[in-house]
Amino acid sequence: DAGVTQSPTHLIKTRGQQVTLRCSPKSGHDTVSWYQQALGQGPQFIFQYYEEEERQRGNFPDRFSGHQFPNYSSELNVNALLLGDSALYLCASSFDRVGTDTQYFGPGTRLTVL
Amino acid sequence: SQQGEEDPQALSIQEGENATMNCSYKTSINNLQWYRQNSGRGLVHLILIRSNEREKHSGRLRVTLDTSKKSSSLLITASRAADTASYFCATGGWNAGNMLTFGGGTRLMVKP
Repeated sequence: DAGVTQSPTHLIKTRGQQVTLRCSPKSGHDTVSWYQQALGQGPQFIFQYYEEEERQRGNFPDRFSGHQFPNYSSELNVNALLLGDSALYLCASSFDRVGTDTQYFGPGTRLTVL
Repeated sequence: SQQGEEDPQALSIQEGENATMNCSYKTSINNLQWYRQNSGRGLVHLILIRSNEREKHSGRLRVTLDTSKKSSSLLITASRAADTASYFCATGGWNAGNMLTFGGGTRLMVKP
């Protein structure tokens, strides 16, 4: 049973560029959440997708957008990259049902903005 | 902003000793989860405790939750060098989807 997968593993971009990160959830999961983790800090919630719609959003600007596909996989897009966007981006999947609160994380995508 | 605060921020112990990490949070929660992270990679889920539970065990891990004090602790018994990692507590609210709010983490080093 494959766990949560993310691509790419590492990415280097320059300021002002746009980036797309991808996530495939754990088998049987229908909900995908994205988190940003700056160096030395805990992850911060960006947004969550369920039934192909954004269900919740954290305190992140509109430069951060996402999408969920019918197969439950998801993309995170960041426009007009800033140096401060350099971070580890984590995807987590879960199954939307009462009592199933555990989120399973992927290995992350390390984004460096120069 | 981060809901939880872990204490201590860093902990260094010898193999075989017990490690205790504490987490405090601010708002009402549905559940609290502990995760481990090795060298800036993905988070590994360790244990989940619900707001109506007081203590939970999983192998060498023991988690307690005190909702009146808004705090939790993670105890790792008989630590091993392989336990060296960062440990995070994350609180889940009552909203749909269980958005997690993480603390800053405790960096544990277990010396052989």
